[in-house]
Amino acid sequence: QQQVRQSPQSLTVWEGGTTVLTCSYEDSTFNYFPWYQQFPGEGPALLISILSVSDKKEDGRFTTFFNKREKKLSLHIIDSQPGDSATYFCAAMRNNNAPRFGAGTKLSVKP
Amino acid sequence: GALVYQYPRRTICKSGTSMRMECQAVGFQATSVAWYRQSPQKTFELIALSTVNSAIKYEQNFTQEKFPISHPNLSFSSMTVLNAYLEDRGLYLCGARDYSYEQYFGPGTRLTVL
Repeated sequence: QQQVRQSPQSLTVWEGGTTVLTCSYEDSTFNYFPWYQQFPGEGPALLISILSVSDKKEDGRFTTFFNKREKKLSLHIIDSQPGDSATYFCAAMRNNNAPRFGAGTKLSVKP
Repeated sequence: GALVYQYPRRTICKSGTSMRMECQAVGFQATSVAWYRQSPQKTFELIALSTVNSAIKYEQNFTQEKFPISHPNLSFSSMTVLNAYLEDRGLYLCGARDYSYEQYFGPGTRLTVL
């Protein structure tokens, strides 16, 4: 079931730094790529998402990049804050289906 | 806003017994509901997808005989873990969506099997 690969498994960043998470996928029919943020004890919450017709989407400090040819996507968090410390999951899906999750990246932002 | 509730949040069952968990969508119509399991040290594995007016589709390694699902209306779904054993422990997530791509997740039901 591992259709989406995510790295790194864990990451530590200093406050104010830039966080970069990456994912790759295999199924070329995937056309929607959400990123989820999960805090301990909670379910994953949608952070940002991108459709395969776009190559970049920005929302405040969060930007996701998509490369259809290489089947890769990334999440960039600028000016990382301690409150960003969480586990981040990339996912991929096609319409009328359910998201397939990557393995997750545990991010720790140190003050 | 759109919210998804799951009940119970935590449950413990004896090995070989069954456990039913529920998922409630509020603020939108859950035309499809996906159930996932997150085992210790693993990501979210898709168990099955239930879509209104379509048969429930189970993923490889998951069966209706083990994880029967009910999706009787556009706001509710339930799943039972039958004959639970140690390998069934983990966090069970319900994700629901309406006609858009966006999936809303509940907080999960954490299952411990003794």
